[in-house]
Amino acid sequence: NAGVTQTPKFQVLKTGQSMTLQCAQDMNHEYMSWYRQDPGMGLRLIHYSVGAGITDQGEVPNGYNVSRSTTEDFPLRLLSAAPSQTSVYFCASSLRGNTAEAFFGQGTRLTVV
Amino acid sequence: AQKITQTQPGMFVQEKEAVTLDCTYDTSDQSYGLFWYKQPSSGEMIFLIYQGSYDEQNATEGRYSLNFQKARKSANLVISASQLGDSAMYFCAMREGRAGGTSYGKLTFGQGTILTVHP
Repeated sequence: NAGVTQTPKFQVLKTGQSMTLQCAQDMNHEYMSWYRQDPGMGLRLIHYSVGAGITDQGEVPNGYNVSRSTTEDFPLRLLSAAPSQTSVYFCASSLRGNTAEAFFGQGTRLTVV
Repeated sequence: AQKITQTQPGMFVQEKEAVTLDCTYDTSDQSYGLFWYKQPSSGEMIFLIYQGSYDEQNATEGRYSLNFQKARKSANLVISASQLGDSAMYFCAMREGRAGGTSYGKLTFGQGTILTVHP
């Protein structure tokens, strides 16, 4: 069981470039989400999805797009990278509900220069 | 207002001693879940323990226990018999939301506490 797989693990972008962070889970989880982790800020929710075809914004959605065409995949797109988007990004999945433990990917360390 | 507050940016403990990491939360929902995650220096997020808002007993998982005080809205993590491998960042998190709503199950994190275990 692979769990939550994130790619790539490291990425350097130039300002203005676009890219997609990939996230896939094989646990048939309804709920998937993207977080960014910055020093002293904890993990902040970017976007989340409660099922295929349904997405919504989290706390810090600006500059990011998501889509959920399948239960398994939840890619995060950076449309025009900015230095403020330098961060560590985590994808997580879980069953939906307040008792559900979230399973995390290994994270992507993104640097925008 | 912060939904999850961890007031201790850093904590130090001697090996084999117990340590308490503080977490307070804010919600108007009756049904919610509280979680603790560990993030070692390698970066992965490791689930430690869960407490439901309706659970009458404090949750325990091996050396981890959660001191849940609902009236005070606190969910402190207690690590007994600390080990050098416990040195890591620890996050408190909460899931809330009304069943059936689109935000049901959203997970909110605190800022984290860095725990250092000294030999």
